[in-house]
Amino acid sequence: TQTVSQSDAHVTVFEGDSVELRCNYSYGGSIYLSWYIQHHGRGLQFLLKYYSGNPVVQGVNGFEAEFSKSDSSFHLRKASVHWSDSAVYFCAVSAFSSGSWQLIFGSGTQLTVMP
Amino acid sequence: NSKVIQTPRYLVKGQGQKAKMRCIPEKGHPVVFWYQQNKNNEFKFLINFQNQEVLQQIDMTEKRFSAECPSNSPCSLEIQSSEAGDSALYLCASSPGQNEQYFGPGTRLTVL
Repeated sequence: TQTVSQSDAHVTVFEGDSVELRCNYSYGGSIYLSWYIQHHGRGLQFLLKYYSGNPVVQGVNGFEAEFSKSDSSFHLRKASVHWSDSAVYFCAVSAFSSGSWQLIFGSGTQLTVMP
Repeated sequence: NSKVIQTPRYLVKGQGQKAKMRCIPEKGHPVVFWYQQNKNNEFKFLINFQNQEVLQQIDMTEKRFSAECPSNSPCSLEIQSSEAGDSALYLCASSPGQNEQYFGPGTRLTVL
């Protein structure tokens, strides 16, 4: 069974702070991991992905994530957050099931950036 | 930014009514997915297509939902007889392969 765990339901930081949003996964096959952002009431926006190669991947708007096979983790980081980064962040693993791929999402982390 | 288009953005139906939503995938993306996101931020995969063919669908989709992705027309997802539990955000995503998925803004369905 493939699972994705986001241990922090809520994270609150101040503008200009750094932030790390945690993601752990359980999956036995080839790994394809991604992060999405969802602003209130809107659809999911793709941030970044990891499939192979350099374990540190860069995404949009200054986000990066690091894959660790030993820790089964794919944490998302940003060095200096802006108020507009306030949103819900979802980690996802792409799993192959019954003949096709589908995304398995974590429960999401609500990031609140205080001015 | 994603170029997936979903209409309508909001849909309000009574119980037992049909509810239909549409999705135009990004040009050149042969794979289309539908997901349901409930108020607890839980995602449920519903169905996916490659070109016009169904790749996979869950049991619920087989029984109460109908979906299609005709060539040269928007994809659609229709609930034949809406139930209160169907109230959710319905997300369409398209993909150039099958891993990297780009989502539309969603259709928020409210069943009264």
